[in-house]
Amino acid sequence: GQNIDQPTEMTATEGAIVQINCTYQTSGFNGLFWYQQHAGEAPTFLSYNVLDGLEEKGRFSSFLSRSKGYSYLLLKELQMKDSASYLCAPEGSNYQLIWGAGTKLIIKP
Amino acid sequence: DADVTQTPRNRITKTGKRIMLECSQTKGHDRMYWYRQDPGLGLRLIYYSFDVKDINKGEISDGYSVSRQAQAKFSLSLESAIPNQTALYFCATRDSGRAEDTQYFGPGTRLTVL
Repeated sequence: GQNIDQPTEMTATEGAIVQINCTYQTSGFNGLFWYQQHAGEAPTFLSYNVLDGLEEKGRFSSFLSRSKGYSYLLLKELQMKDSASYLCAPEGSNYQLIWGAGTKLIIKP
Repeated sequence: DADVTQTPRNRITKTGKRIMLECSQTKGHDRMYWYRQDPGLGLRLIYYSFDVKDINKGEISDGYSVSRQAQAKFSLSLESAIPNQTALYFCATRDSGRAEDTQYFGPGTRLTVL
């Protein structure tokens, strides 16, 4: 079957670093997306990984291990505006995204 | 102007009523999707369309129907709304072809069925 597992909620301090993990099982695999979603708003694209390794984009980085079915999103220099849900979405062989329930990240001053 | 728009943004209706949610896009994308989102659950795919003549059921299509009137327009209908269809509904678009193309989401429609 297809399954996404990410922590339901995490708390971190402004200015710190946080890592949000995602493990997945899919029928086929074409890559993995991370999206950010503020409460009541639409998801917005953060990153895409298709090869193993780390992709860095400013304060956000995303890592993928295809053999382990594992990805993480690393957020550095946390700001209050980073309080949001982070959605892990691997893409199966039929080019459909499979959505996790998301990790709600709470940033405290 | 937003690239993907949804109307209405909020709707309260009663059980048994027919409801249509509309989505329009100016991105020129072939692929369009309808999702619903419930608290504590991931986005769930209702229907998707790869072009005007290609419409496919997603994982939770029962109780819903769609119409792709043009490349830019994709409507979702609830023929007879029921309370468990209360949710946040998102339309999304995606360029065709490449796996790395992201989906672009509309702002969402919050639907409440009483």
